[in-house]
Amino acid sequence: AQSVTQLDSQVPVFEEAPVELRCNYSSSVSVYLFWYVQYPNQGLQLLLKYLSGSTLVESINGFEAEFNKSQTSFHLRKPSVHISDTAEYFCAVTSGSARQLTFGSGTQLTVLP
Amino acid sequence: DAGVIQSPRHEVTEMGQEVTLRCKPISGHDYLFWYRQTMMRGLELLIYFNNNVPIDDSGMPEDRFSAKMPNASFSTLKIQPSEPRDSAVYFCASSPTPRTVLISTDTQYFGPGTRLTVL
Repeated sequence: AQSVTQLDSQVPVFEEAPVELRCNYSSSVSVYLFWYVQYPNQGLQLLLKYLSGSTLVESINGFEAEFNKSQTSFHLRKPSVHISDTAEYFCAVTSGSARQLTFGSGTQLTVLP
Repeated sequence: DAGVIQSPRHEVTEMGQEVTLRCKPISGHDYLFWYRQTMMRGLELLIYFNNNVPIDDSGMPEDRFSAKMPNASFSTLKIQPSEPRDSAVYFCASSPTPRTVLISTDTQYFGPGTRLTVL
């Protein structure tokens, strides 16, 4: 069985400040990890993913996440946030031959002016 | 590509009525997933298909829910009869078969969702 824990349900941060959204997972086999972003009244959009290879993955809009197997974490970071980054962020995991994603409960990131 | 297409975007119905949600996956994707999102339970997988065949329907809440995929470009999720507790946003997602045997899964692409309200 696999599970995902997003420790923070709400993260308020001022514009241009750094942010870290935490994600921990539990799985007995090798994992594939994803971060999705959901803007209000929209579907989920893939932000970045770890399938294999380099443990540090980046998105085109400045986010990055590092797969840490020993700490079973996949935290999302951005060195300087913008107002437009305000959204809900979901961490998700799938493993082995499973196809279905297991999602965390989500973290609402609110960027304040 | 237009991405995953869902219809309708919004549906308001009365308790007891039949509701049908529709999904067109991205062309060439072999996997199709139906999810439900609520404030209380977050995102839950209901069912997924591979090559039009249902693989795992363990997330389907009860017999009132049914899903079909008659061909590679169309799927439906039906609720009959609907109840107020079915009110949620229902997402469809599709995914390709990985291009390498080194990994067993790939990105899921989500549609915009159908917001269902059952009165």
